[in-house]
Amino acid sequence: EIVLTQSPGTLSVSPGGGATLSCRASQSISNHLAWYQQKPGQPPRLLIYSASTRATGIPPRFSGSGSGTEFTLTISSLQSEDFAVYYCQRQNSFPLTFGGGTTVEI
Amino acid sequence: EVQLLESGGGLVQPGGSLRLSCTASGFTVSGNAMGWVRQAPGKGLDWVSGLGSDGHTHYADSVNGRFTISRDNSKNTVYLQMNDLRLEDTAMYFCAKDVWAWSFESWGQGTLVTVSS
Repeated sequence: EIVLTQSPGTLSVSPGGGATLSCRASQSISNHLAWYQQKPGQPPRLLIYSASTRATGIPPRFSGSGSGTEFTLTISSLQSEDFAVYYCQRQNSFPLTFGGGTTVEI
Repeated sequence: EVQLLESGGGLVQPGGSLRLSCTASGFTVSGNAMGWVRQAPGKGLDWVSGLGSDGHTHYADSVNGRFTISRDNSKNTVYLQMNDLRLEDTAMYFCAKDVWAWSFESWGQGTLVTVSS
């Protein structure tokens, strides 16, 4: 089973600042990686799929990059609504797996 | 508008069974891949099961042989039959609709399953 490791566990950022979140796969997964945002009491929200494609309605301050085993979610100019937990997910092959999450806090 | 509504959660004893339902609107479940993802209290996301538009089913190792995913096209509903429930199955269970290659763009609000004696 492919394991996804996210880092850091917690990221402290000031509003207006930028954030770089990492997701590392234990084996190559090509570009089959998605990113989600989750706020307390809400279901996850898809941000990025296929490593770099923004989902419908996602603002351009969210961008994804990477392939193989190393992936990055970049959030530029953080807004107050961006403080949340972010998860990466392996797509396309089973079992689907999620990373442990990165909390982006003020 | 795509909407997903889960139901069927509740309190069950270890070894018991529950059937979760996910009723969809705004699209047809038969034409889309659907999945179940759970989240234990205070924990991360955990994929449980998937049902392809082609009818193929997929399961996490932790539930394989105990859970069954299915759909009723006439009711536009996806089900998760959960048997032999364990304490570690306690979680919020979300139903989700695939947008591309098993990434999930639409989610329900979840239904809570509590396994306790």
